[in-house]
Amino acid sequence: AQSVTQLGSHVSVSEGALVLLRCNYSSSVPPYLFWYVQYPNQGLQLLLKYTSAATLVKGINGFEAEFKKSETSFHLTKPSAHMSDAAEYFCAVTPSGTGGFKTIFGAGTRLFVKA
Amino acid sequence: DAGVIQSPRHEVTEMGQEVTLRCKPISGHNSLFWYRQTMMRGLELLIYFNNNVPIDDSGMPEDRFSAKMPNASFSTLKIQPSEPRDSAVYFCASTRDSQSNQPQHFGDGTRLSIL
Repeated sequence: AQSVTQLGSHVSVSEGALVLLRCNYSSSVPPYLFWYVQYPNQGLQLLLKYTSAATLVKGINGFEAEFKKSETSFHLTKPSAHMSDAAEYFCAVTPSGTGGFKTIFGAGTRLFVKA
Repeated sequence: DAGVIQSPRHEVTEMGQEVTLRCKPISGHNSLFWYRQTMMRGLELLIYFNNNVPIDDSGMPEDRFSAKMPNASFSTLKIQPSEPRDSAVYFCASTRDSQSNQPQHFGDGTRLSIL
């Protein structure tokens, strides 16, 4: 069985500081991994995805994530936070070969950015 | 390009009433998902369609919930009779195909309040 754990339901950073949102997963087969962002009153939007190509994945809005198989992690980072990055972020995992309906979403991490 | 379109955006009704939520997936997408999002339970998959056929409805909470997809461009989620505990944001999402490496495209959701 697969699972996703996002460490920290809330993360607060100052504008210009490094953003680090943590995601650990468990999967019985090689996974596909995704990060989504949700702004208030909107649906989830894809930030980036890992599908077994390069382990360092670059996404939109300056975000990137690194797949580390040995640590079963897929942490999301951004070098310098902007006020507009304030939102909720979801990590998701889909075991390969199972179909999209087996996607498991993490509980989400709400990012606050202080001026 | 038009994204996933959901209607209504907000619905307030009294318990016992029938509620119908509507979704138009992205044109050309053949997989459709209905989710429910609450603070307590996070994002829960209710039902998944592939090529208009329900594949997995194990997430549908009770017989009061039903979903249909009469054609590739339209799906409904119905609750009858509605109860206060059904209050949540309901999302529809679609993907181009059922492969597990495909990201999901979400609508902006329907915020449902049952009084």
